[in-house]
Amino acid sequence: AQSVTQLDSQVPVFEEAPVELRCNYSSSVSVYLFWYVQYPNQGLQLLLKYLSGSTLVESINGFEAEFNKSQTSFHLRKPSVHISDTAEYFCAVSDGSETSYDKVIFGPGTSLSVIP
Amino acid sequence: NAGVTQTPKFRILKIGQSMTLQCTQDMNHNYMYWYRQDPGMGLKLIYYSVGAGITDKGEVPNGYNVSRSTTEDFPLRLELAAPSQTSVYFCASSYSGQGAHGYTFGSGTRLTVV
Repeated sequence: AQSVTQLDSQVPVFEEAPVELRCNYSSSVSVYLFWYVQYPNQGLQLLLKYLSGSTLVESINGFEAEFNKSQTSFHLRKPSVHISDTAEYFCAVSDGSETSYDKVIFGPGTSLSVIP
Repeated sequence: NAGVTQTPKFRILKIGQSMTLQCTQDMNHNYMYWYRQDPGMGLKLIYYSVGAGITDKGEVPNGYNVSRSTTEDFPLRLELAAPSQTSVYFCASSYSGQGAHGYTFGSGTRLTVV
């Protein structure tokens, strides 16, 4: 069964500094990988996803994540964070098989706090 | 387009009481899910449904029940509420079973059992 590890439970970072949120998953033949963001008192929103093709995927608000199969990682990065990026970030994985249903497994989350 | 709507947003229950958390979606998604979120634990799947009339257990189904009589609605029933069920509950839906199109989440129901 898949599992997801997010190594940092809390990441404080100063405004306009770069940030990396780490995510590792257990190995599988093929996977779909996701990052979701949860702003305070809201539900989760899909930030970006890797299904196949280019290993570097980007979101519309400047985040990017790189799929690294050899290291089974999908770290999330942003070169310059804003106060509005303060939120909880969840890495998620599914097996990406062709069966009718495959569970999406969510990591425990990383709380990103951007300091003015 | 409302997406996924959950009601109520907040609720306090006494031990032993029952309640139903409502979830409805207007995107014609076949797949629907109930998760609970506890601090530092991420999301745990309670129940899921792959279509009207079909439901199955997730990781933590004990103490809960679901039904799926229509594509739009997926209510979660708590029988005999216990303090361990204090949590934030999220309903979600998706177009595909592998989540490749992403999940759409509701805004959550914060439940406290006292």
